[in-house]
Amino acid sequence: DQQVKQNSPSLSVQEGRISILNCDYTNSMFDYFLWYKKYPAEGPTFLISISSIKDKNEDGRFTVFLNKSAKHLSLHIVPSQPGDSAVYFCAASSGSARQLTFGSGTQLTVLP
Amino acid sequence: NAGVTQTPKFRVLKTGQSMTLLCAQDMNHEYMYWYRQDPGMGLRLIHYSVGEGTTAKGEVPDGYNVSRLKKQNFLLGLESAAPSQTSVYFCASRPLMARGGGRQETQYFGPGTRLLVL
Repeated sequence: DQQVKQNSPSLSVQEGRISILNCDYTNSMFDYFLWYKKYPAEGPTFLISISSIKDKNEDGRFTVFLNKSAKHLSLHIVPSQPGDSAVYFCAASSGSARQLTFGSGTQLTVLP
Repeated sequence: NAGVTQTPKFRVLKTGQSMTLLCAQDMNHEYMYWYRQDPGMGLRLIHYSVGEGTTAKGEVPDGYNVSRLKKQNFLLGLESAAPSQTSVYFCASRPLMARGGGRQETQYFGPGTRLLVL
């Protein structure tokens, strides 16, 4: 049973517009959430994160929102750029070793 | 710093063969992890290590063994490869503490090893 779900396998947006990627989780023990970006034939690279005690974290064009009651988080990218085209993974952290549980990813395509 | 490196980049095995994947990190991180990624799925944790000489099972450990004899290296072994182990394998590492103090949450990933088992 997937504990972290990304229900949209793909998303296309126009350059300059906002991209919104969504993620849902079921395990209440998750206390930290991260977004990773992945280009083909490369490893995931860290993008932005949020602790469960916060509801928003912003870093430049990227903002992550957390709704604990709904067990939902989202990543906003504004404005979107063609270089943002990649697979975005949502991940949740738990346990003493801070193991990550990943969603299945969303392929974002930003059209010029 | 090279960060996290993985060897080899690509390998083809026949069913029943064995091999070892090497992960090396030069950041003096305490924690190291092995994940696999299959099409349409996220990364799944195979094994992890919280320090030199220690290992633990993750979500999908069957068919794999690991060793962490040196802090900078984390080896993933397949004793008898099966087609179901065809996947892309990623290694990651994480320091115990963040630079400003407090727990470090971010894991840093290597470029991956693509394994095909025929």
